[in-house]
Amino acid sequence: GENVEQHPSTLSVQEGDSAVIKCTYSDSASNYFPWYKQELGKRPQLIIDIRSNVGEKKDQRIAVTLNKTAKHFSLHITETQPEDSAVYFCAASKQGGSYIPTFGRGTSLIVHP
Amino acid sequence: NAGVTQTPKFQVLKTGQSMTLQCAQDMNHNSMYWYRQDPGMGLRLIYYSASEGTTDKGEVPNGYNVSRLNKREFSLRLESAAPSQTSVYFCASSALSETQYFGPGTRLLVL
Repeated sequence: GENVEQHPSTLSVQEGDSAVIKCTYSDSASNYFPWYKQELGKRPQLIIDIRSNVGEKKDQRIAVTLNKTAKHFSLHITETQPEDSAVYFCAASKQGGSYIPTFGRGTSLIVHP
Repeated sequence: NAGVTQTPKFQVLKTGQSMTLQCAQDMNHNSMYWYRQDPGMGLRLIYYSASEGTTDKGEVPNGYNVSRLNKREFSLRLESAAPSQTSVYFCASSALSETQYFGPGTRLLVL
């Protein structure tokens, strides 16, 4: 089955710095890669996703890149703010049929004011 | 439009007691899921239901049972709770092969 590795497990940055979280996946058939943000005590919520026919996607300060050859994808957050502090999860799955994503173990991002 | 709802929000059980966690969604999604979240372990899939009338085991199904009551509702049952089942439980739903929407979670403490 699919295996998703996520690094780092903890990331500490100063406000205004950029943050990068990386994930690798094992199944070359995976073609949908969402990223979820989970604030303390809250539910995970989708912040951005990318499909395998796209190499990069941006939404304001957040971007995701995908390298299908190397089987890795990354979340980039620019101009970090304290409210970006949360746990971020990547996931990988195959579209078509049942949607059973495989999640990474999460990255705890801490943004210091 | 409430999205995904879960009850209860918090529960304390004694070892050996049973309980059912309820989940409902109003987004007309076919697929529903139960996860548990433990510190440092991410989200682990317990059971899922790809469509009404079907259920399948996930990564950590032991000690749990599920029922897909109808398209809207998916319940998780602990027949004989154990301290190892202390966790936060999330229900989620999705349209076929699309984004998952999570419920607010149930915090379960088994003494």
